[in-house]
Amino acid sequence: QVQLVQSGAEVKKPGASVRVSCKASGYPFKNYGFTWLRQAPGQGLEWMGWISTNTDKQTYAQKFQGRVTLTTDTSSNTVYMELRSLRSDDTALYFCAREKWDYYGSPFDPWGQGTLVTVSS
Amino acid sequence: QSALTQPRSVSGSPGQSVTISCTGTSSDVGGFNSVSWYQQHPGKAPKLMIYDVSERPSGVPDRFSGSKSANTASLTISGLRAEDEADYYCCSYAGSYTWVFGGGTKVTVL
Repeated sequence: QVQLVQSGAEVKKPGASVRVSCKASGYPFKNYGFTWLRQAPGQGLEWMGWISTNTDKQTYAQKFQGRVTLTTDTSSNTVYMELRSLRSDDTALYFCAREKWDYYGSPFDPWGQGTLVTVSS
Repeated sequence: QSALTQPRSVSGSPGQSVTISCTGTSSDVGGFNSVSWYQQHPGKAPKLMIYDVSERPSGVPDRFSGSKSANTASLTISGLRAEDEADYYCCSYAGSYTWVFGGGTKVTVL
């Protein structure tokens, strides 16, 4: 079945960078795009960006422009999210999710299990 | 890219119906029929409950229904059950491969 498995928890110091991976299995990798979201403790979901596994086209939320980069590795069916210049308010659970269908505006399903990123000095 | 507006909480007794609103703009909710709803239990990943305003994925009970009028979408849970207690998030496509989420609504079953 379709499955997304994310990398493990990370602890980073302010100013550092973090890269979270999301490995997909159970379907042809290049057929669907991926999105990344985060959820700060006790807060709601925040959309960060989207990447096409077909064209590598990326879009980012204005809030994260210039600080986040999404990439794909088709040889390992993995999508990556790198967030730079980390601050304490970047402490959150980061999720990847796949487009459910291959059309614009598609909902997201399935989701990865989430990766906790803690930023602390 | 402002977040969609949802009530912070709604509640109902078992068997009752509750409705969660999700208000956006003509650039997101009002401009596309690509509104989805996600259920999230504590410590879990979100689960897709409704897509394309009113469609249910396979396996989602028909107690869950969605609708939209102008810039406001709604999720209705009928015949409320204890296991429906969770956080619910609306999401809308906003064009050019961007999406926006609501702030989330906590549903409490009394």
